[in-house]
Amino acid sequence: AQSVAQPEDQVNVAEGNPLTVKCTYSVSGNPYLFWYVQYPNRGLQFLLKYITGDNLVKGSYGFEAEFNKSQTSFHLKKPSALVSDSALYFCAVRDMNRDDKIIFGKGTRLHILP
Amino acid sequence: EAEVAQSPRYKITEKSQAVAFWCDPISGHATLYWYRQILGQGPELLVQFQDESVVDDSQLPKDRFSAERLKGVDSTLKIQPAELGDSAMYLCASSLLAGAGTDTQYFGPGTRLTVL
Repeated sequence: AQSVAQPEDQVNVAEGNPLTVKCTYSVSGNPYLFWYVQYPNRGLQFLLKYITGDNLVKGSYGFEAEFNKSQTSFHLKKPSALVSDSALYFCAVRDMNRDDKIIFGKGTRLHILP
Repeated sequence: EAEVAQSPRYKITEKSQAVAFWCDPISGHATLYWYRQILGQGPELLVQFQDESVVDDSQLPKDRFSAERLKGVDSTLKIQPAELGDSAMYLCASSLLAGAGTDTQYFGPGTRLTVL
């Protein structure tokens, strides 16, 4: 069965510093991987996805993520954090070799400190 | 920019009452999803439609939940009777293609349900 783990419930970063939000996954085949962000009382907003090709994926608002097949990870990164990046971030995975639904992680709350 | 619409945004009800949520996906999107998000957790799929047909409702508690997308456009999710454990955010999402695992899902703002 496919699964996704976000090992940190909360990440605190000072404004201007680089940020990383971690995600690891488990699928039987090859993965499709997604990152979404959720602001308070809002739905999820798509940030980026990995389907195939270049392991470094660039997305919205200056975010990027690196697909690492050997470590089964897809960490979200940004070179310089903004206070407005404070939100709840969800990693999601879908097994491309199976007709399965997308599975979301529990989410990581990102706090950017001014 | 086109968005997924949901109503109501908030709903408070007493247990054993019936509630209904409405979703209007982005125009032209073939696939519509209903998710339940319990506080502190990620969304979990309840039901997936491709046009007017149910593709996956394996996680839908069918004794109390029902969903329909009669004309393959907007959709309604109903709970009857509501239980205390149904308190959650109910999210609707849509995607353009039918059956494409790579397709991006676009989410509505959600309906926050509180059952007293």
